[in-house]
Amino acid sequence: AQSVTQLDSHVSVSEGTPVLLRCNYSSSYSPSLFWYVQHPNKGLQLLLKYTSAATLVKGINGFEAEFKKSETSFHLTKPSAHMSDAAEYFCVVNGQNFVFGPGTRLSVLP
Amino acid sequence: NAGVTQTPKFQVLKTGQSMTLQCAQDMNHNSMYWYRQDPGMGLRLIYYSASEGTTDKGEVPNGYNVSRLNKREFSLRLESAAPSQTSVYFCASSVRGRANPGELFFGEGSRLTVL
Repeated sequence: AQSVTQLDSHVSVSEGTPVLLRCNYSSSYSPSLFWYVQHPNKGLQLLLKYTSAATLVKGINGFEAEFKKSETSFHLTKPSAHMSDAAEYFCVVNGQNFVFGPGTRLSVLP
Repeated sequence: NAGVTQTPKFQVLKTGQSMTLQCAQDMNHNSMYWYRQDPGMGLRLIYYSASEGTTDKGEVPNGYNVSRLNKREFSLRLESAAPSQTSVYFCASSVRGRANPGELFFGEGSRLTVL
């Protein structure tokens, strides 16, 4: 069985400050892990993916995530938030099927 | 390159009416998916198709039917719409199969309201 927990339903940061979106997973398989972003009224876009190569994964728009097997975590970070980062973010695990987390809404304050 | 295209983008139905959501991809992908998105629940898989002529039920298939017309097109049909089917529907595609799909490519969604 697989599951994904996104620990915060809503995160609010000020522009220029760091972003941390938390994700924990469980999987009976060696999973692939993904972060997707959804801007308002848009489809989902891949930010980054982990597929058992380097544990620190760099994605688009300055985002990165670190796979920590011992903690079953795949947290998403960005050093400095931009207004355009305001969106919904989904952590996804794929061992046998894709399983989506419930999402974290990121607000960026000016 | 359009990617994944869904129609219609918006639809309002009355309970009991039927409708079909259309999806087409131009990336020559083998696998296609229909998801529904509801607040606080992420995306849940309705149906999946690994290739033309094959479909599999996902997590929430009740009340839906699908048809993989050819490699490009994958339609979702609601035979008798219910208010519980009010949702945003996303079509997606991937090069490989569900167990190791690589990246999922999504359409922009179809917002359906059932009164």
